[in-house]
This record gives sequence, C-alpha cells and structure tokens, in this order.
Amino acid sequence: GEDVEQSLFLSVREGDSSVINCTYTDSSSTYLYWYKQEPGAGLQLLTYIFSNMDMKQDQRLTVLLNKKDKHLSLRIADTQTGDSAIYFCFPTLRSIENTGANSKLTFGKGITLSVRP
Amino acid sequence: DTEVTQTPKHLVMGMTNKKSLKCEQHMGHRAMYWYKQKAKKPPELMFVYSYEKLSINESVPSRFSPECPNSSLLNLHLHALQPEDSALYLCASSQAPLAGKYTDTQYFGPGTRLTVL
Repeated sequence: GEDVEQSLFLSVREGDSSVINCTYTDSSSTYLYWYKQEPGAGLQLLTYIFSNMDMKQDQRLTVLLNKKDKHLSLRIADTQTGDSAIYFCFPTLRSIENTGANSKLTFGKGITLSVRP
Repeated sequence: DTEVTQTPKHLVMGMTNKKSLKCEQHMGHRAMYWYKQKAKKPPELMFVYSYEKLSINESVPSRFSPECPNSSLLNLHLHALQPEDSALYLCASSQAPLAGKYTDTQYFGPGTRLTVL
C-alpha cells in the first residue's frame, strides 16, 4: 500500500507561520487532503489539492505540491492557539481496487502542532 | 450540511458482550467507511461500502461485522472483542460514482471511543 511519511512534532509561537510536510510514495495519487484532529475529536477536512495543481491558497492555508518529489506541504499563516492539533496528510486515488491492504487509503502518521503564546 | 453523526460517543464493553456502533449521514453520499484509530496513530481503514454493498474489507477480524441497511446508515456490530480492540472508531462518508470503486472527499464523524475490558 501507500507509504506516507510525516515528522511527528512541531512547536511554533503564536503569530508565526507553521509548515507541515508530507512525503508519499504512490505517484498516481490524484487528490491530496489535509485533515485536522483536535484531542478527542474526529477528523476535520481542512483543504485539498488536485494533482494537476502546484499550489492552492485558502485564507490562512497554503498547500504546495511537488509531484516530482512526491512532497506535499501545508503552510498555516499567523498560527493561532486554536490551530494546536494533529494534522494528517491523506493522498488518495480517484479509483481504488479491492486488493486488501493495497486499498490506497492510507493516512500519514500525523504531526502534532503545538502553538505557544 | 457536511455532518456525519456517530452513536454512542463512548462505549465500554466486556469481551463476551455484543454491541453495535451506528453512523448516519444525510448528505446523499453513497460511499461510507469505517476506520479504527489507536492513540497517537493515524486512522486505519477497516471497511468501505459503496451503494450499500461492501466493496473493501481490509482483512478485518470477523468479530467486527459491518452492515449498511440503507444509504444513510452504517453499523458496525461487535462481538467477542479483545482489549486490544479498544480504540476510537471513526465513520466517514463521501460521494461515489454510479459504477466502480472510487473515493471522493471524505467527511468524518466525531467517532465512538470504545473500551474493551
């Protein structure tokens, strides 16, 4: 199945920018999502990018995609304490096959973002 | 409305009990998913239903039995669970095509926190 790597922890000061990175292995990934999970909660869809785009901006969020290096990043501008959470990248395909462990619906390991005042 | 609801919010059960988790969405989505999430880990896919038919089973033990009685509801029946099955169980839904297997943007519920004693 897909192998998706993220670093585990990031600490930033309130008001600074945060950059969260993700690398993936399946070059056929078509939709690449970012989800946020606050403690004890479900996953909240933050944003996504199609594989035919290099960049997408959505208010404080900027997603960058480098397809050649299979690298995805999420930049959060003016980071707030409410941004403290775990962030997961989630590259997917439009079409998935029922091949057991190769279903290609694999989340990144997640990065914990801690915002200090 | 992008709401997926899950009940119960918390569940404690013994290893000989039979219980069910419920998930509901009214977004007209025809694909629904069950994920299992252990503490400090990413969600792991268990099952995918597309048009009320099971399309993916990620080699999940038979003590977990999914059911999709209609297009809005998804159940997960639990029987003879083990303590290591304690986790957050997340339900998600997405659009689905008329034919074939594919995944679109998934919207997650808040999860059921399951503890097996």
